[in-house]
Amino acid sequence: AQSVSQHNHHVILSEAASLELGCNYSYGGTVNLFWYVQYPGQHLQLLLKYFSGDPLVKGIKGFEAEFIKSKFSFNLRKPSVQWSDTAEYFCAVRLADSWGKLQFGAGTQVVVTP
Amino acid sequence: DTAVSQTPKYLVTQMGNDKSIKCEQNLGHDTMYWYKQDSKKFLKIMFSYNNKELIINETVPNRFSPKSPDKAHLNLHINSLELGDSAVYFCASSQKRATNEKLFFGSGTQLSVL
Repeated sequence: AQSVSQHNHHVILSEAASLELGCNYSYGGTVNLFWYVQYPGQHLQLLLKYFSGDPLVKGIKGFEAEFIKSKFSFNLRKPSVQWSDTAEYFCAVRLADSWGKLQFGAGTQVVVTP
Repeated sequence: DTAVSQTPKYLVTQMGNDKSIKCEQNLGHDTMYWYKQDSKKFLKIMFSYNNKELIINETVPNRFSPKSPDKAHLNLHINSLELGDSAVYFCASSQKRATNEKLFFGSGTQLSVL
């Protein structure tokens, strides 16, 4: 069965610490990968996405993610977090030919303390 | 201006009732979605409409019926509500043939069935 797994449900870290959120998927075939973020009181919004090409993808606000095909992973990273990065982060995957059928992970709540 | 707006934000109702959630987008997108976020925070797609045509219909009880009067609106009707329908329902929209293929989400409707 197709699935998307996010390893950590809650992460608490201090400002300036580095962040890495894990995402693994179980899909056969070519996939498109996404990270969405939901800041407190705001809508879900796209952080970055990977369709093809360079497996290291840079998104907004200093975030990046690396697609490692052999590990079925698409981990999100930020070298130095800020308090404003406190949010819930969702990994999402879809088969490249199943436009619209985005499957989300359960989300990781990230809290950055001053 | 809110890009994707859904109403109501909160909905508390008794089992057996029929209720509707409305969604409107002012982005000019041609595709709209309904997602359900369960208690474990998994976001699962329910329906998608492209230009008022149903294109995604996941395994959802037929008590749930989407209705798209035009490209900018996708409403969700739920008949004979059950306890298990309690969840947060998110509306989203996107432009199908845009290279960005980015989903814009509404703020969610928290449905509580008592």
